[in-house]
Amino acid sequence: AQTVTQSQPEMSVQEAETVTLSCTYDTSESDYYLFWYKQPPSRQMILVIRQEAYKQQNATENRFSVNFQKAAKSFSLKISDSQLGDAAMYFCAYRGGRRPGTASKLTFGTGTRLQVTL
Amino acid sequence: NAGVTQTPKFQVLKTGQSMTLQCAQDMNHNSMYWYRQDPGMGLRLIYYSASEGTTDKGEVPNGYNVSRLNKREFSLRLESAAPSQTSVYFCASRSGQKNTGELFFGEGSRLTVL
Repeated sequence: AQTVTQSQPEMSVQEAETVTLSCTYDTSESDYYLFWYKQPPSRQMILVIRQEAYKQQNATENRFSVNFQKAAKSFSLKISDSQLGDAAMYFCAYRGGRRPGTASKLTFGTGTRLQVTL
Repeated sequence: NAGVTQTPKFQVLKTGQSMTLQCAQDMNHNSMYWYRQDPGMGLRLIYYSASEGTTDKGEVPNGYNVSRLNKREFSLRLESAAPSQTSVYFCASRSGQKNTGELFFGEGSRLTVL
């Protein structure tokens, strides 16, 4: 079974600084998708960024970028120029690409709570 | 756009009571999901429906049943609630196209079982 590990339960960053959240995963598939979701205090789950495993280029969305290391099965999220509104719980998630039973399901990590300080 | 709508948003039950969480999506998505979120555990999949007419167990299905009523609606039922089912429940949907894979979530339903 696929597993997703987030080893940092909590992180803190000063406003305007950069922070990196770690995520590793375990899979035997070669085709899959990876995601970072943000959950602010409102509880709403918001997609931050996605990465297709077949793409070598790291995904970027404004201040958010990933470092995707396929061989190491690592998928970290970098937040640049951190803002107070970035304070939230961040979840890493995995979805298989082709194998029946895994292609439909998202597997989540346990989350990292990010605090942004002045 | 409403997206994914869950009801109710809050519910308190006594042990042994039953209830149904309702979920509807207006995005014409094929796949729908029910997750539960507990502190330190992330989101765990309870049941999912890859397409209308099919349902499958996820990681933690015990104590729950689901019904995919039509393409829009996917309900989660607790037949005999237990304190261990105290959690926040999320419904989600996905278009089913592999080139996206993104899940769209409802706002969550907080359930407390006393």
